[in-house]
Order: sequence, then structure tokens, then C-alpha cells
Amino acid sequence: DTEVTQTPKHLVMGMTNKKSLKCEQHMGHRAMYWYKQKAKKPPELMFVYSYEKLSINESVPSRFSPECPNSSLLNLHLHALQPEDSALYLCASSQDIKRYQPQHFGDGTRLSIL
Amino acid sequence: EDQVTQSPEALRLQEGESSSLNCSYTVSGLRGLFWYRQDPGKGPEFLFTLYSAGEEKEKERLKATLTKKESFLHITAPKPEDSATYLCAVQAGGNNRLAFGKGNQVVVIP
Repeated sequence: DTEVTQTPKHLVMGMTNKKSLKCEQHMGHRAMYWYKQKAKKPPELMFVYSYEKLSINESVPSRFSPECPNSSLLNLHLHALQPEDSALYLCASSQDIKRYQPQHFGDGTRLSIL
Repeated sequence: EDQVTQSPEALRLQEGESSSLNCSYTVSGLRGLFWYRQDPGKGPEFLFTLYSAGEEKEKERLKATLTKKESFLHITAPKPEDSATYLCAVQAGGNNRLAFGKGNQVVVIP
């Protein structure tokens, strides 16, 4: 079982809906990441949080809004998504962003936009 | 720009038939190379970290090696449960981003 927990596992939403993806880790990691993965492609980085502050935004559209309420939790708020946003959304964590330690991934949320 | 190329893209093996996966990279200042295993519908599962040329790591039937230009993931006497996509990623310079290869899709036939 992965030590990074993501909920929900599956989400179907319309283009006008607002929903949130949640990620939790209890490994004491201080860096957390959101990735998007399309079928048969590698993960693409979206956001990086370091010590609960947004460190990297890879020019992600504003319809994706990340939030890090504390060191164990990471949310991704979704609003007015497009069909091309359908993908597997992965959360990951690592000890911190400066020690070149491996990132540990959750099993993702499979998102479908109708 | 950091580049990671994995070959072969897809591989079918008979159970027990050992083989190797290749990950070649072009980066300035390698800080770490990571191997992950990903099963369909799941997130990548961390396997190994390699930091310097000559380093080797082993876990069950898997062995990862690193040179200055590439890494190999050797699968010895594979079993059907080793079927997965294996992802290679590098972290370079002062950049904390991972550059992923496209993966090696491995199918082991009983």
C-alpha cells in the first residue's frame, strides 16, 4: 500500500462543476507535488509545494487551483475544466526539494470531464 | 534541456528469460536517477535511486546500474508479476524537477 493517499479514486464531472482532489501523507515530508498523466505518457509536473508554500507552477491554467493547508495535506481545486483535462492526477511527496530524495507517489485520481 | 530516452519502448519476455532495459540521459549535473514501476491505473512505485557512476542497487529480480551516460534495469528470471511499465527519471543541477523518460512497457508471458 502506498503511503500517499489520494481521494477520490475516480471522479466524473461536468465542465461547469467545482470539485476538489485531496492528497495526504504522514511521512513527515515537506515537499508535495501535483502531476497530470495521460494514457501511455509519463507524468507531467503541475505544481510543487515546499514547506507549505507554492514553489513551482508549471504555467498551469487557472482552472486548476492548488492549496496546501498543512504539511500533510495537499488539495487541487477544479473549476470549469475542459474535456482535455481528463487524465490521471497524481500526488507525490519527498523529504524536501533540496536533498534530491525520491518522490513517492499516490495511486492517483482518475478524472473524467463530460 | 534535460533529456531522458528509454529503450526498448515495449518488450515481451517469456517467464525466466532475463533482459535489460536502457535509460540514456543528457543532463548537466546529474543529482539523482530514479527508477519507478507503474501498473495500469496505479501511481508510480519507487524502486531505486542511483547517484553516481558505478553505483548498483538490487531488489529481488531487479538490479539497477548507472554509468555517466545511461542506466540499466536488469530483470533476472522474470515472472508474470514483473509485467509493468518501468519509468526512469533524472534530477539535475539545482533543479528539483524530475525529467521522465517515456517508459519501458514489459510483458512477461507464463
